[in-house]
Amino acid sequence: KNEVEQSPQNLTAQEGEFITINCSYSVGISALHWLQQHPGGGIVSLFMLSSGKKKHGRLIATINIQEKHSSLHITASHPRDSAVYICAVESRGGSARQLTFGSGTQLTVLP
Amino acid sequence: ETGVTQSPTHLIKTRGQQVTLRCSSQSGHNTVSWYQQALGQGPQFIFQYYREEENGRGNFPPRFSGLQFPNYSSELNVNALELDDSALYLCASSLGAGFLQETQYFGPGTRLLVL
Repeated sequence: KNEVEQSPQNLTAQEGEFITINCSYSVGISALHWLQQHPGGGIVSLFMLSSGKKKHGRLIATINIQEKHSSLHITASHPRDSAVYICAVESRGGSARQLTFGSGTQLTVLP
Repeated sequence: ETGVTQSPTHLIKTRGQQVTLRCSSQSGHNTVSWYQQALGQGPQFIFQYYREEENGRGNFPPRFSGLQFPNYSSELNVNALELDDSALYLCASSLGAGFLQETQYFGPGTRLLVL
């Protein structure tokens, strides 16, 4: 069983729809990251959170530490939101901080 | 733009060869991490360097090695390449010492194909 599970693996939405991507993890973490990866490989960090909720523009990320679960929401989705969204949990082995990644959710927003 | 660059962008090697991938971090970023991302999968942590010392390693064999230099550049070296080493290799830098919760800034990656 993977330490970080994302769902769904693939998601197709119409422009304007509200989108939710889920992430569950099984290990103790110090923080959880949501990342966006566009075709070609470049990764952009969207959020880093360890509790509660963060909002940036149309993006909202929440985390429930007790339930080991996080969600990424996109309001009023747009075709330019099409990308792979990756959840990664941050744990510490000794002094090194390590990210363990989920396999990603491929989002396609149709015009 | 994250300010993190990687070279080369693409590379083709044959099995058994050696390869060096390079990463240039943002100025002032003391920590660099390297990740391997196979096609269709999430990235996997290879190792992390802080101020030129390795301070964490994932489940990768010793033929994966690295260096970090004082000018905020770093290298990933892979010896005795295997077909399964074909992947996108990403570096990410951050400001702190590796034990703080900080944003990591990713480079665009180097896509390696081993034939």
